[in-house]
Amino acid sequence: GESVGLHLPTLSVQEGDNSIINCAYSNSASDYFIWYKQESGKGPQFIIDIRSNMDKRQGQRVTVLLNKTVKHLSLQIAATQPGDSAVYFCAENGQNFVFGPGTRLSVLP
Amino acid sequence: GAVVSQHPSRVICKSGTSVKIECRSLDFQATTMFWYRQFPKKSLMLMATSNEGSKATYEQGVEKDKFLINHASLTLSTLTVTSAHPEDSSFYICSASISSYNSPLHFGNGTRLTVT
Repeated sequence: GESVGLHLPTLSVQEGDNSIINCAYSNSASDYFIWYKQESGKGPQFIIDIRSNMDKRQGQRVTVLLNKTVKHLSLQIAATQPGDSAVYFCAENGQNFVFGPGTRLSVLP
Repeated sequence: GAVVSQHPSRVICKSGTSVKIECRSLDFQATTMFWYRQFPKKSLMLMATSNEGSKATYEQGVEKDKFLINHASLTLSTLTVTSAHPEDSSFYICSASISSYNSPLHFGNGTRLTVT
C-alpha cells in the first residue's frame, strides 16, 4: 500500500548551516508531494510542493528535490535559523495524502 | 489566503461527555475537509474525509459512531467525540484544500483534547 517514510527521525544542525531532510515514498503513481513544517502545539504549515513532472523546485531558503527513480524526496533549508526548529513532514498525494513519520530539526546556537 | 480556523484549541472534558470541534475555511469554500489525529511524537493519521452535504468517509478502524462528522456548509465541518474516554485524548487537526487536484492541504491549528 501507500507509505511515506522518513530517514533520520532527528536532525541537529548549527545555526547558519544548511539542512537536508530526506523522505522515501513507495507509491510510484504519486504525482504530487508536499513538505510541511509543524511547530509544537500547532497544525502543519505548508512549506513547498512539487509535481512529479519536476525534479527540483525552489522557494525562499528552501529547495525540494524529487528523484522518481529511487522514489526519494528531500527538503533543503539554506542558512538554517532557530525559527526553523520544528518537525518536518513529507506527504504524497495518492488516494489521500499520506504523511511520513516526521523529522525533528533542532538548530544549535 | 487559504486559512483554516479550528476551535477550540484546547478542551478538557470528563469521561462520558461529548466534545464538538469546529473547523472553518475562512477565505475559501471547501467541499471536502479532512480530520486527522496525532499522537505525541507521531505523524498525522487520517481519521475521515468530510464531504459537504453527504456522509463522511471513515478510515479503517475509526468508529463512525464515536467520531461524528458533520459538514453542513462549504465552510464548516464539525467533529464530535461522543462519550469520550481517556484513550480519546489526543491532538485533532482538520484540513481543507482549495482544489481537489494537486493542491496542498491547509491545516487548522489543532485541538488538544484531554479526557479526565
